[in-house]
Amino acid sequence: NAGVMQNPRHLVRRRGQEARLRCSPMKGHSHVYWYRQLPEEGLKFMVYLQKENIIDESGMPKERFSAEFPKEGPSILRIQQVVRGDSAAYFCASSPQTSSSYEQYFGPGTRLTVT
Amino acid sequence: KQEVTQIPAALSVPEGENLVLNCSFTDSAIYNLQWFRQDPGKGLTSLLLIQSSQREQTSGRLNASLDKSSGRSTLYIAASQPGDSATYLCAVVSINTGANSKLTFGKGITLSVRP
Repeated sequence: NAGVMQNPRHLVRRRGQEARLRCSPMKGHSHVYWYRQLPEEGLKFMVYLQKENIIDESGMPKERFSAEFPKEGPSILRIQQVVRGDSAAYFCASSPQTSSSYEQYFGPGTRLTVT
Repeated sequence: KQEVTQIPAALSVPEGENLVLNCSFTDSAIYNLQWFRQDPGKGLTSLLLIQSSQREQTSGRLNASLDKSSGRSTLYIAASQPGDSATYLCAVVSINTGANSKLTFGKGITLSVRP
C-alpha cells in the first residue's frame, strides 16, 4: 500500500506565477489535510477536504489560495500570484473515512521556493 | 484556541543517554496526541499515537505517555543513538474541532545525539 504521494517534491516559481501542488492520499483514504511549514515555524493547518467538499478552510489565507479534492484524481492546492512569503514546505496528510484512531499519514512534502 | 508547546527547542545529549521530550497543550479536551519525527528537509514520520483514553504507548525504544488532565505528554527515548538525531513534533486533535479534523502542532524539539 503506497503512502501519501505529493508532487512535485520541489517547485520554483517567480513572483506572480501560479503554483499547483498535488497530493494523492493513501488507498482507501477519503480525508485530505494540507499543512504549511514556514522557515523556523511549526506546521500550521491550512485546509481539510473530503471528496468534492471543503470541510474546514479556517487556516487558508483569504486571497490567492484555493484547494480542491475532486471525485477523481489528486487533491490540488493552488497558489495564485505567488509572493516570496509563500516559500515554505507544504505537507499533505490523509486519513481513512472510518477510523477509531483518527491518525493522519503524511506525505514527503512539496518545497516551494519563490524567487 | 488550542496551543501546543515544546520546550526546550533544542537538546544535545551523548550517545547512550535516556532522555525525555516534553509537550504541553492548553486545552485538555483532545481526541488524541501524536508524536512525529522529522529529518532535515524531509517529511513527517509518525512515531506513536495515544488516544485520549490511553495513558501510554510503546514502540521499541520509544515510550509516550499522556496526562490529559494536566495537558502534558512525554516521549521517552531509551539508550539514544546518533540515528535518533532529528526534530520531534507533538500534535493534538482537539475535540472542539471535530474528531477527524486538524492537528495542532508544537514547534518541535531538535535533538542531537553525539557519538
